[in-house]
Amino acid sequence: RKEVEQDPGPFNVPEGATVAFNCTYSNSASQSFFWYRQDCRKEPKLLMSVYSSGNEDGRFTAQLNRASQYISLLIRDSKLSDSATYLCVVIKGSQGNLIFGKGTKLSVKP
Amino acid sequence: EPEVTQTPSHQVTQMGQEVILRCVPISNHLYFYWYRQILGQKVEFLVSFYNNEISEKSEIFDDQFSVERPDGSNFTLKIRSTKLEDSAMYFCASSVPPPSPWGLAGYEQYFGPGTRLTVT
Repeated sequence: RKEVEQDPGPFNVPEGATVAFNCTYSNSASQSFFWYRQDCRKEPKLLMSVYSSGNEDGRFTAQLNRASQYISLLIRDSKLSDSATYLCVVIKGSQGNLIFGKGTKLSVKP
Repeated sequence: EPEVTQTPSHQVTQMGQEVILRCVPISNHLYFYWYRQILGQKVEFLVSFYNNEISEKSEIFDDQFSVERPDGSNFTLKIRSTKLEDSAMYFCASSVPPPSPWGLAGYEQYFGPGTRLTVT
């Protein structure tokens, strides 16, 4: 089983739509989780950390389900600028090494 | 807003040559990392560095690779004898004071824009 698995997409949605991405991780001992976004040929940019109780940042909501070992990201009221690849990321090791999923591609259309 | 910088943005080299990729992490960060991303593939961890020594390294980070913090600001990745399969985007990242196991603060890593390495 891969360490971090994501549906590669693409998700093609109209502006204003709500879209959700899921991610599963294999190591039940993992403690820290993040969502990054990556634009084409650019660096990953931290979108949000994922807390056990779930957290929200504007139009973005992240949830963690430890029992099922999955993480979700919900984007409400999608904007054209949300078009990117969304990377699910899990910490591995005591030094904070990040393990990335392959990403889910989102394309928001007018 | 402070950011991680990397030079050069693109490096073309011949197989067997040595390359040095440079990074300037965010100034108050103490943990430094190198990752790579082969075109079309996921981002992969190479090495972490703290207190002037390697903290952890992946299987990819073999004897051909080395890292150094030659002064108070730069963090470098050296590939001694490049291979075709080293062609990738190399990202440097840094994080705030040592990661805490009791919270997420300190684990949040900020990435530089990357160096695209092309080995011919």
